[in-house]
Amino acid sequence: QVQLVQSGAEVKKTGASVRVSCQASGYTFTSYTIHWVRQAPGQSLEWMAWIDTGNGKTKYSQNFQGRVTVTRDASASTAYMELSSLTSEDTAVYYCARQAGGGPRYDPWGQGTLVTVSS
Amino acid sequence: QSALTQPASVSGSPGQSITISCTGTSSDIGGYNYVSWYQKHPGKVPKLMIYDVSNRPSGVSNRFSGSKSGNTASLTLSGLQAEDEADYYCSSHIRGDSVTFGGGTKLTVL
Repeated sequence: QVQLVQSGAEVKKTGASVRVSCQASGYTFTSYTIHWVRQAPGQSLEWMAWIDTGNGKTKYSQNFQGRVTVTRDASASTAYMELSSLTSEDTAVYYCARQAGGGPRYDPWGQGTLVTVSS
Repeated sequence: QSALTQPASVSGSPGQSITISCTGTSSDIGGYNYVSWYQKHPGKVPKLMIYDVSNRPSGVSNRFSGSKSGNTASLTLSGLQAEDEADYYCSSHIRGDSVTFGGGTKLTVL
């Protein structure tokens, strides 16, 4: 079945960087764009970025001011999201999701990765 | 990017119908037929309920329906059930190939 499996929970210090992976299975990885979305405790979903897994083209939310980078390794069917200069406000569950059609039609989602940032 | 505007909460009794609104601008909801709705239970992964304004993925109950008028999209749930109690988020494509989400609406089934 179509599935996205993310890497495990992370605990980071303020100012550090974190990289979350998202491994796809059950479909042709390079045929679908992967998006990254996060949810901080008690907050709404927040879109971060997307990557065209076929050609590597990316798009980022202005809200992250250059701190987020998304990449992919097509040979491993895996996408990555790196967030730098972490603060406590970056404590959140980070999700990857496959764009199943036009617009924000996400299906499936990864299981989520909790990133905790502390001083 | 600014978030789409949703009511913080709505409520209804079992069997009733409720509607959740999602207001944007001509640069997002008003400009494209790319609005999705997600249901999220605490600690669970978001679930796609509606895509492209009014389409239901296979397996989603026909009690869920979506529509759009101008810069406002709406999600309607009919025949409310206890299991519908969750947070609901709208999402839209934005000019420039970005995406935005609404602030979320907490649905309480009384």
